[in-house]
Amino acid sequence: IAGITQAPTSQILAAGRRMTLRCTQDMRHNAMYWYRQDLGLGLRLIHYSNTAGTTGKGEVPDGYSVSRANTDDFPLTLASAVPSQTSVYFCASSTSGGVDTQYFGPGTRLTVL
Amino acid sequence: GQNIDQPTEMTATEGAIVQINCTYQTSGFNGLFWYQQHAGEAPTFLSYNVLDGLEEKGRFSSFLSRSKGYSYLLLKELQMKDSASYLCAVVIPGTYKYIFGTGTRLKVLA
Repeated sequence: IAGITQAPTSQILAAGRRMTLRCTQDMRHNAMYWYRQDLGLGLRLIHYSNTAGTTGKGEVPDGYSVSRANTDDFPLTLASAVPSQTSVYFCASSTSGGVDTQYFGPGTRLTVL
Repeated sequence: GQNIDQPTEMTATEGAIVQINCTYQTSGFNGLFWYQQHAGEAPTFLSYNVLDGLEEKGRFSSFLSRSKGYSYLLLKELQMKDSASYLCAVVIPGTYKYIFGTGTRLKVLA
């Protein structure tokens, strides 16, 4: 692995189902982030983690949860998907958060029907 | 509140120069990033400004005026591959958060 990866690349999901989006980085970055990107709204922060074992809420956290058991992985879970969660989801990481450059994964395109 | 404004779309001709503006009103300021995002791809880092003035990197330059809450990205000698969205993001002090603008979609025409 080089950089930051996400899985799946795309997914179609029935409303009400549970879904976990995976994100893994091999850069030993302390900080990780989940964004959603919607047309006309730009990138909005869902949750973040500034180090393993800690997480925080971003701008649009409702309906999503995260965990950070180790440095490399930062999964995002939709407990019961709704159509308004249809979006492109990007995971990002940075060395230590704050003013550091964020590096983005390739994204997951999620459609909730 | 936090507000970042960018033009939605711009068009320019190959070989020309284009300036993409970004204005911000945020509860604090700890730097401004510009990212490039090609359609269907992830954003990639272009530049970072924290002090007033111009930062030059090859064909791309970025300018910041903190007193005016204003930045611009200048792209010179435009190439077709510069067709992309350009995202402006402000870092909020004391947090791990960027606030992104909605992005400017640039079309470069032959």
